[in-house]
Amino acid sequence: EVQLVESGGGLVQPGGSLRLSCAASGFIFSNYDMTWVRQAPGKGLEWVSTISGSDTRTFYVDSVKGRFTISRDNSKNTLYLQMNSLRAEDTAVYYCSKDTSYSDTSGYYYVPSDHWGLGTLVTVSS
Amino acid sequence: DIQMTQSPSAMSASIGDRVTITCRASQGISNYLAWFQHKPGKVPKSLIFASSSLQSGVPSRFSGSGSGTEFTLTINSLQAEDFATYYCLQHKSFPRTFGQGTKLEIK
Repeated sequence: EVQLVESGGGLVQPGGSLRLSCAASGFIFSNYDMTWVRQAPGKGLEWVSTISGSDTRTFYVDSVKGRFTISRDNSKNTLYLQMNSLRAEDTAVYYCSKDTSYSDTSGYYYVPSDHWGLGTLVTVSS
Repeated sequence: DIQMTQSPSAMSASIGDRVTITCRASQGISNYLAWFQHKPGKVPKSLIFASSSLQSGVPSRFSGSGSGTEFTLTINSLQAEDFATYYCLQHKSFPRTFGQGTKLEIK
């Protein structure tokens, strides 16, 4: 069974830093792209960042580029999100999710965020 | 960046109703479109991928269609557990973008 468990959230002052972790189990971690999605209070879902499984290419939403860094340690089955220069608008529940891809007789399929963790709350406030 | 315009933003319906939610992409995304269900205090749930493929375990009253720029999520015969917020997501290119969400409430 796929399990994703986030940790590292909390209260931080504007301009501060936090590192989120996502411990993965139940699948071969290195084979899958991983994604962070957030939801600010009263707002919708927002894609934040994705890292590929093998060659660790990284992608970010414009609002976090240069401030957030996604990374992974495949030996520890763990995904990270280093968040620097935090702003009030970064306040949100941050979810870790797993992407999937597969092929069958019908073709190739990519399934974004097919499994999610419970999320961790990040509050940026003075 | 590809913008996803989802409509309506909110709607009310009764048990047994058929509802349709639409997502429009600002440029063609082929079938790189997924749908998610999100209930308050719960984890988002993947419903549909590749525009029309149902995730394992998702009831068959859910269906998706569309390609290019216009996509729909249809729920036939609404059940009590279907009242939630629904989001579309394009993953044709980065940055991925969600629609604004559709809050489905009981009439």
